[in-house]
Amino acid sequence: EAGVAQSPRYKIIEKRQSVAFWCNPISGHATLYWYQQILGQGPKLLIQFQNNGVVDDSQLPKDRFSAERLKGVDSTLKIQPAKLEDSAVYLCASSLDGGRGWNEQFFGPGTRLTVL
Amino acid sequence: DQQVKQNSPSLSVQEGRISILNCDYTNSMFDYFLWYKKYPAEGPTFLISISSIKDKNEDGRFTVFLNKSAKHLSLHIVPSQPGDSAVYFCAASDYGGSQGNLIFGKGTKLSVKP
Repeated sequence: EAGVAQSPRYKIIEKRQSVAFWCNPISGHATLYWYQQILGQGPKLLIQFQNNGVVDDSQLPKDRFSAERLKGVDSTLKIQPAKLEDSAVYLCASSLDGGRGWNEQFFGPGTRLTVL
Repeated sequence: DQQVKQNSPSLSVQEGRISILNCDYTNSMFDYFLWYKKYPAEGPTFLISISSIKDKNEDGRFTVFLNKSAKHLSLHIVPSQPGDSAVYFCAASDYGGSQGNLIFGKGTKLSVKP
């Protein structure tokens, strides 16, 4: 079974530029998550989708971050414009089903973003 | 305010000995706890979990203990192997309430020396 795929693996941009990350979850997984992991911290949830609907985006800085999952499969996360403090690893995860209850989350390798 | 705390950033253990990683939490609504393991340049992978109705869960060399009254859990690895060297994240979920979202600690870097 293929795992969660993410691209690019690394990205370096200057502040105020835009950047987009792509995630392809495990086939059949209804729930998709984007996490931000700043160096020395644990992953922090940015947004959770169930199929193509947003379940939780309470910690997404909506003035500069946006995410979509149009067909309920792949997802993109965009930052526009980027700030220095956005430097982090962006992790995508998927699980079979969200909702009430816990299902194991499978993580992709992440995209390491450096903002100069 | 951190709801899940891992107060030891690093731990060094000799091969064959026991590794004990600790985690404290503050939210009494958490009812499901997990440990994830992360190697460099890879995403975290699920290791073991425990529900709040239990106080112990074992899987091979890995055992997680939960002390609800102290809001404390620990991961024991016996015997430790060099391949266990990684960053270990403790995570908690309000299983019965939220959408199963995970709150992670900052992680503990385990080094197992041959």
